[in-house]
Order: sequence, then structure tokens, then C-alpha cells
Amino acid sequence: QSVLTQPPSASGTPGQRVAISCSGSSSNIGRNTVNWYQQLPGAAPKLLIYNNNQRPSGVPDRFSDSKSGTSASLAISGLQPEDEADYYCAAWDGSLSVVLFGGGTKLTVL
Amino acid sequence: QVQLVESGGGVVQPGGSLRLSCAASGFTFRTCAMHWVRQAPGKGLEWVAFIWFDGSNEYYADSVKGRFTISRDNSKDTAYLHMNSLRAEDTATYYCVRDPPYSGFAFDTWGQGTRVTVSS
Repeated sequence: QSVLTQPPSASGTPGQRVAISCSGSSSNIGRNTVNWYQQLPGAAPKLLIYNNNQRPSGVPDRFSDSKSGTSASLAISGLQPEDEADYYCAAWDGSLSVVLFGGGTKLTVL
Repeated sequence: QVQLVESGGGVVQPGGSLRLSCAASGFTFRTCAMHWVRQAPGKGLEWVAFIWFDGSNEYYADSVKGRFTISRDNSKDTAYLHMNSLRAEDTATYYCVRDPPYSGFAFDTWGQGTRVTVSS
């Protein structure tokens, strides 16, 4: 089954802004909301961004997302060491009737 | 507080079966769709299955269709994943996740996960 495409890795120094892309198609990102998850080492994933740039309680506004056509992007501004984690995008695919996850991006804070 | 607790994982031989359970608490279980998501060791997240809030519809990833069945008992606030004909590639940590109404498939609560190992 197809997945959403993310870069396998990204990096930045403290205070920098980084962006992680997520590419899909018209049947998933092009038509439905994209949600983003953060997975810290050894922990269960956590919802980070949902429903067009909404953040659950406790998620700092340094995290934001955007979408254009069949691609989405997670932006992290003012990068902090504790942001080092794996990040996943996900979306419902209306043609396949499945939830698709991106392959994940490992963010390293240098 | 909102909580999901999975159980039922373990070691099983190829071709065997397991039933995972997910006990929910702290919210109105019968209003939420529920999903199972798995993660093979060192790999990314893979969506497995989804059941509507009332159990009337189910959806599956191609990789498990015909072998796994998702179900729920709203009287017990519990979701299940029945896994048959298990293969080595089903080895993973299985997470139960909550999908609130009108959330656009935003999984806002995850269990701690239960590990399934398929090996002879």
C-alpha cells in the first residue's frame, strides 16, 4: 500500500527553523486533513498538529503546519534540543479507504 | 484522565493467533472511532485497522485484510484486534488509538503499546 513521502532525516541547530515535507496525492492530502505526530525515543507517538494547524493542549506554538495541493509541511521554529524525535504525517485516503502514514523523519538537533 | 491500556501481546508461532485488547477509560468510549496502529522494530508507523464508533463499519490495511478483525464492546469500553494466520512480518508493537468525532482522523490518545512477536 502506498505511503505518504517524507524525507528520512532533517537537522538544525538550536534556535533555527526547520521544515519537514509530506507528499501525497489528490485522494489523501489533496482532499483531507493532514495530521502530524511526534515520537520521542522509546515513547508512544503523540499528536502534534491536526485539522489545519490546530495544536493539542500543551504543544507549543513553535510547531505549525501548512498545506498546498497534495503536499503538506511541518515547521518547527526556535528549535530546541527536546525537539529531537521522529515526526510522522498521516491522512485518510478516500480512494483506498485507509489511513496512510508517512515513512517518518528523524530530526536531529545539532 | 483519558487512557487506553493494551494487553494480550506475546510470542506466537507463525500461523498462530492472538487477541489484543484495549481498555478505555476517562472518556465516552461509544462516541469515538478506534484504530490499531503498529510499529515494527526500528521501523515507522503502519496503520492496521479502524472501527466506527458504533461498530457498524470496519476498514483494514491490505497487509492484514482477511487475517485480522477489529471489534469493540461499547458496554465494556473495550476494543479488540483478533489476529489470525500470523506471519513474521506482523512482529511489532501494536498501539490502540482514539479518533474523536469530527477530528479528521486525528489520533489524540495512544496506549502504551503491546508487543507481538511472531517466531518459531
